[in-house]
Amino acid sequence: EPEVTQTPSHQVTQMGQEVILRCVPISNHLYFYWYRQILGQKVEFLVSFYNNEISEKSEIFDDQFSVERPDGSNFTLKIRSTKLEDSAMYFCASTQGRSNQPQHFGDGTRLSIL
Amino acid sequence: AQKVTQAQTEISVVEKEDVTLDCVYETRDTTYYLFWYKQPPSGELVFLIRRNSFDEQNEISGRYSWNFQKSTSSFNFTITASQVVDSAVYFCALSEASGGGNKLTFGTGTQLKVEL
Repeated sequence: EPEVTQTPSHQVTQMGQEVILRCVPISNHLYFYWYRQILGQKVEFLVSFYNNEISEKSEIFDDQFSVERPDGSNFTLKIRSTKLEDSAMYFCASTQGRSNQPQHFGDGTRLSIL
Repeated sequence: AQKVTQAQTEISVVEKEDVTLDCVYETRDTTYYLFWYKQPPSGELVFLIRRNSFDEQNEISGRYSWNFQKSTSSFNFTITASQVVDSAVYFCALSEASGGGNKLTFGTGTQLKVEL
C-alpha cells in the first residue's frame, strides 16, 4: 500500500538555526498538509497546500514557517530561526481529494531544538 | 469554529473487556466529516474510519464499532474484547466541508491501556 514518507525521522537542531523537514506524499494525491504534535498533546493543524499554493493555514503558521513543493514528489516544511517551543513531532499528510477523503499520515519527524 | 472534545484522558481496562471512547464535536457546518485515528506507542497516526454527516448508520469492523449520533453531536468508538495490541492513543477528528483547506481538527486524545 502506498505510504507518505517523511525524512528525517529525528532532527536535532540548535536554537536559531533553520530546519527543513521533507515529505514525499502518496503519488496520486493532490492535497498536502503539515501538522504538529507537541509531546503529550493533541495534533494541531499547521497548513494545507493544493495546486502549488497554501489553501489554509493556522495561527501557528506564522512568518517563521514556509512550505514548498520544489518538484513533483517532495513537499517541504521550512522553519526559520527555530525556537525551543518548536520542538515537536511534525506530521505530513496527503489526500487524494477534499474533506471526504481520509488523510494519510507519514510516520513523522521528531524535531528537537537545543 | 470547529471543536472536538474527548473528555476521557486515560482509560485502563483488562484484556477482553469492552471499552467505549467518547467523542463530542462542535461545528456550524451541515456537511462535515468525522474520523478516528490510532496512535500506537511507535508514534504514527493510523486512520481507522471516516464518517460523513449525512450517514448516521453505525459501522462495525471486526472488534471495532462506531456510533454516530447527530442529535448529541457524538461519534463514539467501541472496542469489543479488547487486546493488549489495542493500547494506544485514539484521536477523534473533524473536517468541515466549507473549509478551503480541509484541515482536520483533532481532539486531545484518549490514552487506552489494555492490561493482561
